[in-house]
Amino acid sequence: GENVEQHPSTLSVQEGDSAVIKCTYSDSASNYFPWYKQELGKRPQLIIDIRSNVGEKKDQRIAVTLNKTAKHFSLHITETQPEDSAVYFCAASLSGANNLFFGTGTRLTVIP
Amino acid sequence: GAGVSQSPRYKVAKRGQDVALRCDPISGHVSLFWYQQALGQGPEFLTYFQNEAQLDKSGLPSDRFFAERPEGSVSTLKIQRTQQEDSAVYLCASSGRVNYGYTFGSGTRLTVV
Repeated sequence: GENVEQHPSTLSVQEGDSAVIKCTYSDSASNYFPWYKQELGKRPQLIIDIRSNVGEKKDQRIAVTLNKTAKHFSLHITETQPEDSAVYFCAASLSGANNLFFGTGTRLTVIP
Repeated sequence: GAGVSQSPRYKVAKRGQDVALRCDPISGHVSLFWYQQALGQGPEFLTYFQNEAQLDKSGLPSDRFFAERPEGSVSTLKIQRTQQEDSAVYLCASSGRVNYGYTFGSGTRLTVV
């Protein structure tokens, strides 16, 4: 099955700086890569996703890049704000399947 | 409803007790998923339904875990003879389309004592 690895496990940045979280996946058949934000005690919420037919996608301060050859994808958050503090999970889905394989999460702390 | 609803929000069970966790997905979503999230970990897939059909149950950790969705809407995850290692948050999610983002429920935090 698919194996998703995520780094770093914790990340602290100053407010206004950028944050980058990286994930790798093992199965070249994976074609859908969402990112979820989970605040303490709350549900994971989809913040952005990318499919294997594109290399980059942006939504305001959030962007995701995908390198299919290297089998890695990254989340970029610019101009970080304290409310960005949360645990972020990457995930991958195999073509034709629906279940997501999640990374182990990155705890992002934005220091005011 | 507007979102995925799960109940109960919290459940404390004595070891050996049976529990039933309920999920009410977004109206019209044919796909329903159950995930288990241990403390400090990412969600791990348990099982998947398309309407009333359970298409994948490969993630269920043992035969003590059973899920159903008899009418293609509400789903129940049942755990028999609970053990301490079953303690986790059980997340339900629904999706309207293949390979699109899920909407998760708030989860049921199960603590087995």
